[in-house]
Amino acid sequence: RKEVEQDPGPFNVPEGATVAFNCTYSNSASQSFFWYRQDCRKEPKLLMSVYSSGNEDGRFTAQLNRASQYISLLIRDSKLSDSATYLCVVKVRTGTYKYIFGTGTRLKVLA
Amino acid sequence: DTEVTQTPKHLVMGMTNKKSLKCEQHMGHRAMYWYKQKAKKPPELMFVYSYEKLSINESVPSRFSPECPNSSLLNLHLHALQPEDSALYLCASSALKSAEAYEQYFGPGTRLTVT
Repeated sequence: RKEVEQDPGPFNVPEGATVAFNCTYSNSASQSFFWYRQDCRKEPKLLMSVYSSGNEDGRFTAQLNRASQYISLLIRDSKLSDSATYLCVVKVRTGTYKYIFGTGTRLKVLA
Repeated sequence: DTEVTQTPKHLVMGMTNKKSLKCEQHMGHRAMYWYKQKAKKPPELMFVYSYEKLSINESVPSRFSPECPNSSLLNLHLHALQPEDSALYLCASSALKSAEAYEQYFGPGTRLTVT
């Protein structure tokens, strides 16, 4: 079992739709959580950090459930420009620390 | 400014060549990272530097040799690579406060082709 798992998709949704992505992690030493977006042939860009109380940034809402070891990202009112791969990233601290990437979920927003 | 720069953008090298990838950040970040990314896969961690010291080497073959000359610069020296090493090489940095690391910022990457 991978340490960070995501549904690879692709998710094809019409413009204006709401779409949710899930991510599960298995390492109990996981400390911090992030969502990144990556466009084709570009670098990952930080979308948002995920806080225990949940957090929102415009059309994007992230939730964390530590008991179930589960993170989610909700995108409301999808735009064509939201088409990208969304990467769930977990920071693990075991002596030192490292960031573990999920496989990514591809989103395509259709006109 | 959350910019990480990488040079070159593209690199084609033969299996007997020696080349270097460079990464720079001026955000005062004291953690820097090298990742390798193949098409349709997530980035794979290669090396982590914390306070200019190598803290993680993910069992990377010795044909890849990292170097952190100062807190703003990170190099990756390449020698005798194989065609399967062709990939996008990403540099990232993050703040370190009391040895706690924060979100990473990535450079645009170097697209490497080994012929």
